[in-house]
Amino acid sequence: AQTVTQSQPEMSVQEAETVTLSCTYDTSESNYYLFWYKQPPSRQMILVIRQEAYKQQNATENRFSVNFQKAAKSFSLKISDSQLGDTAMYFCAFMGYGGATNKLIFGTGTLLAVQP
Amino acid sequence: ETGVTQTPRHLVMGMTNKKSLKCEQHLGHNAMYWYKQSAKKPLELMFVYNFKEQTENNSVPSRFSPECPNSSHLFLHLHTLQPEDSALYLCASSLGAGGAEQYFGPGTRLTVT
Repeated sequence: AQTVTQSQPEMSVQEAETVTLSCTYDTSESNYYLFWYKQPPSRQMILVIRQEAYKQQNATENRFSVNFQKAAKSFSLKISDSQLGDTAMYFCAFMGYGGATNKLIFGTGTLLAVQP
Repeated sequence: ETGVTQTPRHLVMGMTNKKSLKCEQHLGHNAMYWYKQSAKKPLELMFVYNFKEQTENNSVPSRFSPECPNSSHLFLHLHTLQPEDSALYLCASSLGAGGAEQYFGPGTRLTVT
């Protein structure tokens, strides 16, 4: 069975600085998808970034980028120029490839606090 | 706003009550999901529906009964719940398969007394 591990329950960063959130996963599949979702306080969970395992190039979305190391089964999220609005719970998630069910497997989350 | 709405936002119920949670998506998606979010635990997938057909039941106790009358609406009927069922229940929807992004609703905060 697939598992997702986020070893940092809480992190703090100063505004405008860079922070990296860690995520490791375990799977025997060769094709899959990885996601980072963001859940701000009392607000809806939204997708931050998505990576397809067959793509070697790391995904980027504006200030958000990932470091995808397939052999190490590592998928970290880097947030550059942190802003107060980045304060949220961040979840790493895994989805297998193919099949009728888009089953997302989540980690326990990392609570990120951006300090002014 | 993600285009997925949930009602009610908060619910307190006794262990002998019957209540229902409602989810509606305005995105034209064909798949809908129920998740349970408890403190310090990963989100747990409960049920998946594709084109109104249930495709996943993640060993959920029968006191939780889902219903999907059409691709835009999803219900979770609750009866004889336990205090450990207190949690945030999230609904999500997506278009198709193959790693499609899931759009989440704001959740229903459920407290069982």
